[in-house]
Amino acid sequence: GDSVTQMEGPVTLSEEAFLTINCTYTATGYPSLFWYVQYPGEGLQLLLKATKADDKGSNKGFEATYRKETTSFHLEKGSVQVSDSAVYFCALSDRQGGSEKLVFGKGTKLTVNP
Amino acid sequence: DGGITQSPKYLFRKEGQNVTLSCEQNLNHDAMYWYRQDPGQGLRLIYYSQIVNDFQKGDIAEGYSVSREKKESFPLTVTSAQKNPTAFYLCATTGQLEKLFFGSGTQLSVL
Repeated sequence: GDSVTQMEGPVTLSEEAFLTINCTYTATGYPSLFWYVQYPGEGLQLLLKATKADDKGSNKGFEATYRKETTSFHLEKGSVQVSDSAVYFCALSDRQGGSEKLVFGKGTKLTVNP
Repeated sequence: DGGITQSPKYLFRKEGQNVTLSCEQNLNHDAMYWYRQDPGQGLRLIYYSQIVNDFQKGDIAEGYSVSREKKESFPLTVTSAQKNPTAFYLCATTGQLEKLFFGSGTQLSVL
């Protein structure tokens, strides 16, 4: 079945550092791709999405580009803040048997120090 | 406010006991989902429902049961057959294609 692999964490950065969290996927067909963010003690929130190849999703300074040739959707931010500390999940949409569900990676914990 | 409400926030289960986690939504969404989150494991799908009175097993349905008698409600029962129930449980819904809205979760622990 479809799957998502993201870089192992935890990732620790200083404020204003550049962030990359790698995500690659395996899928039949052409899934949509997502990044979700989870702050401590909360559910997940959609951060950004891309629905087709070469699309770039962006939100709150974060960006990710749907790369079909490398089956990747890496998350980047040019200058992280302490408030970006959270767990980040890469996900894809999986359509099978007429039903649709999201498949998540294992999550990458980011800690940003002042 | 429109949203998803999970309750309780914390729940404790005794050995051999069934417990039920509540998930209610007023977003008028058709599809609802239950995920289990373990440290370092990401989210794994337990059950999902695309429409009232219908639901499908996810990847780790064993030891769990659900019902979908109303559009607004999708309760999850953790049965005594689930031998390792300690985890953070997340309910989610989707109305428009592919965007999930999550509740704030229930932390289940075993006494």
